[in-house]
Amino acid sequence: QSVLTQPPSVSEAPRQRVTISCSGSSSNIGNNAVNWYQQLPGKAPKLLIYYDDLLPSGVSDRFSGSKSGTSASLAISGLQSEDEADYYCAAWDDSLNGQVFGGGTKLTVL
Amino acid sequence: EVQLVESGGGLVQPGGSLRLSCAASGFTFSSYAMSWVRQAPGKGLEWVSAISGSGGSTYYADSVKGRFTISRDNSKNTLYLQMNSLRAEDTAVYYCAKGPSAVAGADWFDPWGQGTLVTVSS
Repeated sequence: QSVLTQPPSVSEAPRQRVTISCSGSSSNIGNNAVNWYQQLPGKAPKLLIYYDDLLPSGVSDRFSGSKSGTSASLAISGLQSEDEADYYCAAWDDSLNGQVFGGGTKLTVL
Repeated sequence: EVQLVESGGGLVQPGGSLRLSCAASGFTFSSYAMSWVRQAPGKGLEWVSAISGSGGSTYYADSVKGRFTISRDNSKNTLYLQMNSLRAEDTAVYYCAKGPSAVAGADWFDPWGQGTLVTVSS
């Protein structure tokens, strides 16, 4: 089991909006920034969101992040077929003294 | 352009050792912390280890503590992961990734290398 909890899968139709949740605790999300990664099939992960809600240069503004307490969310609007990927949340854990990842969420665009 | 290229993966027997390398280019290597993250076949991401820009601070996941050693040679722009006492559960693609500052720890990874596959099997 992963320290951060994500739904295993989500699906939505093209042009719609989907959210992916990430639940943690006071030792990780509650006290540290959350980062999100996108992993396209057969590729290395890519940074999508950092410091809870910041977009790296070159990332589409269809992606957005938010955090409240010990939970975080990734939202993707205007879904496109190329958004089909695995999405991972991550944060530093003060108790484990290391980075922890969510189990990953597979997004299917119907 | 920042580039990270891992090498050194392969097939190794349980109990054996392997050293992974990550050659970095396109940035001032010594100014940035680096990390290793692995992904078992069909599974999610697991952080393995991190090292500060100077190499003076290191962190390990409990699952590899005492068996793996992270190090770096800033004169060669290369990151290493020495893996000893390997187990079947260490089988994974190992990625190196760059941090946003010289301080290792609570930061994001960007970019990631393409990964190198380590298979532990008899």
